[in-house]
Amino acid sequence: DTAVSQTPKYLVTQMGNDKSIKCEQNLGHDTMYWYKQDSKKFLKIMFSYNNKELIINETVPNRFSPKSPDKAHLNLHINSLELGDSAVYFCASSPRGALSYEQYFGPGTRLTVT
Amino acid sequence: DQQVKQNSPSLSVQEGRISILNCDYTNSMFDYFLWYKKYPAEGPTFLISISSIKDKNEDGRFTVFLNKSAKHLSLHIVPSQPGDSAVYFCAATFLGGSNYKLTFGKGTLLTVNP
Repeated sequence: DTAVSQTPKYLVTQMGNDKSIKCEQNLGHDTMYWYKQDSKKFLKIMFSYNNKELIINETVPNRFSPKSPDKAHLNLHINSLELGDSAVYFCASSPRGALSYEQYFGPGTRLTVT
Repeated sequence: DQQVKQNSPSLSVQEGRISILNCDYTNSMFDYFLWYKKYPAEGPTFLISISSIKDKNEDGRFTVFLNKSAKHLSLHIVPSQPGDSAVYFCAATFLGGSNYKLTFGKGTLLTVNP
């Protein structure tokens, strides 16, 4: 009964490959997010979708493309992977209204690009 | 530019004593602040929050204090327990924003020694 799940948990791939990370939440939340935690440990927002509509798109290379097939899923596709993409990627979701800032995070996907 | 700063990368305390984790912010537009706790190989989990209209919010062993003039907040854990050992992230946002964006600090690793 995991609230926010991500697959895979670990992903090791070579430069230039294309990969996807999947996220699903069973909390009935309207808003979902992708965060990147880099080697300096900062958690930075990448994207946010509210009910399948993109509402946050930070300065992220356009090799990264989020896709939300429905409000319970937010996948992240990365083209032409680079060494600097190595990081832990966290998916999160939040309910509507005043509680929207209390985001629920998935366990993370550790991406290693070699 | 770090808008949310946690200047202590680590803190070690004895079980039963008080843990005080500090956070500073530079953006005076921030008016809602949150603390998240993160165990290794897991996603951050929401702990406690405070609005800028308050200067204190308490939840069990956890109390957050906000000093708006100093742009400083702190999380007090009393009494500290070994299970509190984790990385604590401070986050800030603008209430009423439509995109629920959180800006995180780098985190402070708390170790509670038995």
